[in-house]
Amino acid sequence: GESVGLHLPTLSVQEGDNSIINCAYSNSASDYFIWYKQESGKGPQFIIDIRSNMDKRQGQRVTVLLNKTVKHLSLQIAATQPGDSAVYFCAENIRSNDYKLSFGAGTTVTVRA
Amino acid sequence: DGGITQSPKYLFRKEGQNVTLSCEQNLNHDAMYWYRQDPGQGLRLIYYSQIVNDFQKGDIAEGYSVSREKKESFPLTVTSAQKNPTAFYLCASSIDDRNEAFFGQGTRLTVV
Repeated sequence: GESVGLHLPTLSVQEGDNSIINCAYSNSASDYFIWYKQESGKGPQFIIDIRSNMDKRQGQRVTVLLNKTVKHLSLQIAATQPGDSAVYFCAENIRSNDYKLSFGAGTTVTVRA
Repeated sequence: DGGITQSPKYLFRKEGQNVTLSCEQNLNHDAMYWYRQDPGQGLRLIYYSQIVNDFQKGDIAEGYSVSREKKESFPLTVTSAQKNPTAFYLCASSIDDRNEAFFGQGTRLTVV
């Protein structure tokens, strides 16, 4: 199908450890991917994006990896902090004449003090 | 400050009534979108607009209507035909459909 999915619905991480959030997609025509962070009762915030001509992209404390061979996307958060507790969504943009940004169900990250 | 503003934050509606959710952006973005989010789920696309006076149905457009008379504004009407309207509604905008979307803070609609 064309849906985006996340491997695990929840992730519990010790403060200071690294977090890895995974996402699988099924559409080979997807060429642009975005990670969003959503805190309770708020709209999603853009974290980082990557296009299909790249394998890796780094931001501040975050790294996105794209493996097109197995259609897998991951978000790595370094030195996880309490403020990183949120729901994380991956979204894919499928190359077509019509805009389609499809979202997965999200992974809830809880940071333990 | 540039941004995207949704109002109201909370909205209550009686069954059988239409209600309109406001979305305004001052980012000079061409593209605007409406998503619906249900508890524990991802975002589903209701309608999107890539340019003024034009819009397209998303995956769950039934029971909803939109207009795009101005670049800055993309109001969503939830009609009485929408059988399960209680949800969190998110508006977003982007420079075009090939770049990231920026979201508003959402409107939580409850049917009473």
